[in-house]
Amino acid sequence: DQQVKQNSPSLSVQEGRISILNCDYTNSMFDYFLWYKKYPAEGPTFLISISSIKDKNEDGRFTVFLNKSAKHLSLHIVPSQPGDSAVYFCAASGAGTASKLTFGTGTRLQVTL
Amino acid sequence: DAGVIQSPRHEVTEMGQEVTLRCKPISGHNSLFWYRQTMMRGLELLIYFNNNVPIDDSGMPEDRFSAKMPNASFSTLKIQPSEPRDSAVYFCASSLANRDTEAFFGQGTRLTVV
Repeated sequence: DQQVKQNSPSLSVQEGRISILNCDYTNSMFDYFLWYKKYPAEGPTFLISISSIKDKNEDGRFTVFLNKSAKHLSLHIVPSQPGDSAVYFCAASGAGTASKLTFGTGTRLQVTL
Repeated sequence: DAGVIQSPRHEVTEMGQEVTLRCKPISGHNSLFWYRQTMMRGLELLIYFNNNVPIDDSGMPEDRFSAKMPNASFSTLKIQPSEPRDSAVYFCASSLANRDTEAFFGQGTRLTVV
């Protein structure tokens, strides 16, 4: 049972435009959400996170939005750059699980020139 | 800090052989995680440790998989006997065992069982 879902396996965006990556979750106990970025032959690296007490968190070109009622979060990248091309994983953790993270299947973002 | 260190980076083995993957977490981190990445399932959590104690091993696929953490600076994931379907990238990650904190990943071990 996939508790964290990323339904778009891939996304292609032109350089300079906005990239929107989506993530849905089913476990209502999740209260902390993270996005990781992964380049080929490397481990995932932390990008940005959001706690369930917020609905938005911004860090430079990256913004994460959380809609708790819909159990949905999204990552916005503005403006997109070729170096943003990577696989993006959504992850979640919840009460009683300490730092255990449950990941989605990832979305491959390609930023074209 | 050198980050999470995994070895080997690549492993090719024959079906039926024992495979041991190794991980050194970031110094001071007290949670350690083993993940497996596949195309179909993304990053699956296999097992995690807090303070060297296994907390949740519900993700370990079969009895062929075992993990140990004999001390705070070393963990192993063993597959015995290995099968072709075990072929995947295995990641180790570590973090502070607090709420609302990110995990730091190693570069992974790409395992191929032929």
